[in-house]
Amino acid sequence: DAKTTQPPSMDCAEGRAANLPCNHSTISGNEYVYWYRQIHSQGPQYIIHGLKNNETNEMASLIITEDRKSSTLILPHATLRDTAVYYCIVKGAAGNNRKLIWGLGTSLAVNP
Amino acid sequence: SAVISQKPSRDICQRGTSLTIQCQVDSQVTMMFWYRQQPGQSLTLIATANQGSEATYESGFVIDKFPISRPNLTFSTLTVSNMSPEDSSIYLCSVLDRGNEKLFFGSGTQLSVL
Repeated sequence: DAKTTQPPSMDCAEGRAANLPCNHSTISGNEYVYWYRQIHSQGPQYIIHGLKNNETNEMASLIITEDRKSSTLILPHATLRDTAVYYCIVKGAAGNNRKLIWGLGTSLAVNP
Repeated sequence: SAVISQKPSRDICQRGTSLTIQCQVDSQVTMMFWYRQQPGQSLTLIATANQGSEATYESGFVIDKFPISRPNLTFSTLTVSNMSPEDSSIYLCSVLDRGNEKLFFGSGTQLSVL
């Protein structure tokens, strides 16, 4: 599974959109982009995933570039409870996760 | 989505002792994993817990130090043996939902070794 690159930290004002970038330039054709977040000392929580089309759910939107080498997670109206570490991961369509590489993610601070 | 109950949520242990962490899932799952997260670090996969057979360990992790049991498709335990302060970490149980390829995590066990 490919490796990802994320900025180590970001700030966002409460109520504003938070846009978290991720670079995955070595992604292969059958690999999905997954986003998880980890609120302090808790287990990671699934947010969203996609292959090539943009995706939206109740938590966030995922924008994947046409060449699939990068993506952006968008939290449309960030709240204080969105303060967490956000992980971008690429993963094959099937199979176990033994080769998943969890980087250090982006630590998002939502400020009042 | 799978609901995972992990316990204990935290423990403080003495050097040289062992701690067993339990992971209970509310549905049958094929793939269950154990992760470690050292302070300020990201997640590192310890092993895949296989039902009915020995766990599959990642490089740097051995069965004598981290024995794992998986008696059925809803339950697993991880034991941290002969603990030292370097074992102080968060330990996480995770399952893979093969239907949508999503990973679900327990709330973690915060272990401190004195």
